Amino acid sequence: QITLKESGPTLVKPTQTLTLTCTFSGFSLTTRGVGVGWIRQPPGKALEWLALIYWDDDKRYSPSLKSRLTVTEGTSKNQVVLTMTNMDPVDTATYYCAHRRKENGIWYPFDFWGQGALVTVSS
Amino acid sequence: IVMTQSPDSLAVSLGERATINCKSSQNILYRSNNENYLAWYQQKPGQPPKLLIYWASTRESGVPDRFSGSGSGTDFTLTINSLQAEDVAVYYCQQYYDTLPSFGQGTKLEI
Repeated sequence: QITLKESGPTLVKPTQTLTLTCTFSGFSLTTRGVGVGWIRQPPGKALEWLALIYWDDDKRYSPSLKSRLTVTEGTSKNQVVLTMTNMDPVDTATYYCAHRRKENGIWYPFDFWGQGALVTVSS
Repeated sequence: IVMTQSPDSLAVSLGERATINCKSSQNILYRSNNENYLAWYQQKPGQPPKLLIYWASTRESGVPDRFSGSGSGTDFTLTINSLQAEDVAVYYCQQYYDTLPSFGQGTKLEI
């Protein structure tokens, strides 16, 4: 049973750095072919992919946000951490982490998602 | 890769068919395995997205067979037959062909 859960601050001030943690179970990021992604959704708006980290520490970022994003493994082996610098009110959104897998050399889409963490950016 | 859905919203009567379209700015058919790297998600209010269909036409386990996907290359369709009240949601397409995934803008389905 794969589960993921996002945690972090619900409120950050403009210019601050956001740090979100995705704690997961039912899989290991050390297993070949596993990835964890971050996706956000401003209130009433569409999904936006942010970043991906893979079992081999390969990392991918949204080109429009690449300079502000960092994704790493957490201190616990079942965690992934996303940091976003220089937060702005337009970054107010629900932030999701999601599982992705590769089987027989073929990638699959995000199949398991966390419930999401709403982050508000306001002074 | 830019994903564009149409329409932005639609209203369908219970028991009728709903059709949502998705167009990718590039071909997302992977020649080596002849699969289209296109997924459909359903998102109900206050919930995370739920994977419905991948490879453009393969239903995820547990998804009712009234949901079907079709299309290839750059043009794709999600069809919901015999619309049920619980199908009210926003539907998103997503390409995972590129190393940088991208979503469509969503289609809001109402009764």
